[in-house]
Amino acid sequence: GENVEQHPSTLSVQEGDSAVIKCTYSDSASNYFPWYKQELGKRPQLIIDIRSNVGEKKDQRIAVTLNKTAKHFSLHITETQPEDSAVYFCAASSPTGNQFYFGTGTSLTVIP
Amino acid sequence: KAGVTQTPRYLIKTRGQQVTLSCSPISGHRSVSWYQQTPGQGLQFLFEYFSETQRNKGNFPGRFSGRQFSNSRSEMNVSTLELGDSALYLCASSFLDLHTGELFFGEGSRLTVL
Repeated sequence: GENVEQHPSTLSVQEGDSAVIKCTYSDSASNYFPWYKQELGKRPQLIIDIRSNVGEKKDQRIAVTLNKTAKHFSLHITETQPEDSAVYFCAASSPTGNQFYFGTGTSLTVIP
Repeated sequence: KAGVTQTPRYLIKTRGQQVTLSCSPISGHRSVSWYQQTPGQGLQFLFEYFSETQRNKGNFPGRFSGRQFSNSRSEMNVSTLELGDSALYLCASSFLDLHTGELFFGEGSRLTVL
């Protein structure tokens, strides 16, 4: 089955700096790659996603890039703010879209 | 509209007991999936149901089972509890629209096994 690896497991950045989280996947048939943010004590929520027919997608300070050949995708957060502090999970979905494989998460701390 | 509701939110069991967790999806969502969340392991897929049928199952022992009812509500059951089953169990519902596969998570049921 699919295997998703996520790095780093923890990340600390100064407020205003950029943060990058990287994930790799193993199944070339995976075609949908969402990113979820989980604040402390809260439920995971989708922040951005990308499909395999797109190389990059942006939403304000957040962007995701996908390299299908290398089977890796990354989350980029620019101008980080303290409220960006959370655990971020990448995921890859099965071609049918009914099974998601999550990375182990990255705990991001933005230092004011 | 109401979000995904999970009950109970917290529970404490002892080894050998069994537990049943409940999940009510967002109205109109027919896909319900379950995940186990533990520190360092992230979110591990348990199973997914659609229209009362289990379509996928993760790599968990047979002690973990689930079902879905005609109103899309789902339950998962863990029998013969072990200490390692202590975790946050998250349920997620999805409309499985062709344009988005967004999962809507509940707040989870935190299980502690003593």
